Amino acid sequence: EVQLEESGGGLVPPGGSLRLSCVVSGFTFSDQYMDWVRQAPGKGLEWVGRSRNKANSYTTEYAASVKGRFTISRDDSTNSLYLQMNSLKTEDTALYYCARGTMLSGVSYTDYWGQGTLVTVSS
Amino acid sequence: DIQLTQSPSFLSASVRDRVTITCRASQGIRSFLAWYQQKPGKAPKLLIYAASTLQSGVPSRFSGSGSGTEFTLTISSLQPEDFATYYCQKYDNYPLTFGGGTKVEIK
Repeated sequence: EVQLEESGGGLVPPGGSLRLSCVVSGFTFSDQYMDWVRQAPGKGLEWVGRSRNKANSYTTEYAASVKGRFTISRDDSTNSLYLQMNSLKTEDTALYYCARGTMLSGVSYTDYWGQGTLVTVSS
Repeated sequence: DIQLTQSPSFLSASVRDRVTITCRASQGIRSFLAWYQQKPGKAPKLLIYAASTLQSGVPSRFSGSGSGTEFTLTISSLQPEDFATYYCQKYDNYPLTFGGGTKVEIK
């Protein structure tokens, strides 16, 4: 059974930093692309970024709204995905989801999601 | 960047109704489109990928169609558990983008 569990959310002041974690099980972590997606309270879904798999050298992509402030990394030895968030803004307040990407026809769609961890940026 | 526009943003329907949601892309994305269902307080759930392929375990009353710039999600006979918000997402290139969502409520 595929499982993803996020942690690390909390209250942080504007300009602060936070690191989110996502531990996965039920699949070979190094084979899969991994995404972070967020949802502000009462709003829609917003893609944050992606880590490609080992075969693609774990390269990353980011949304323009977070590029240069957020960094995705992963540790295959512990089946963990991370999101380091720096220079946080109030508009980063959201529920952050970790999600798995599955390859098909050379591209990756998102199939399984964790339950999310809440980040609140406020003074 | 390619934008996805969903319509309608809100839909009121009855059990056993046929429901259709549209997702339009500002540029062609071939068939690289997924549909998700999200219920309050829950994570999104994948329904359809590659525009028309049903994810394993998803009821056959859900179907997807389209390619290029226009896509549809159809629920052939709405069931009580289908009242939720639905999102489309493109995954042909970066940035990955979601549509604004369609909330399906009970009439």
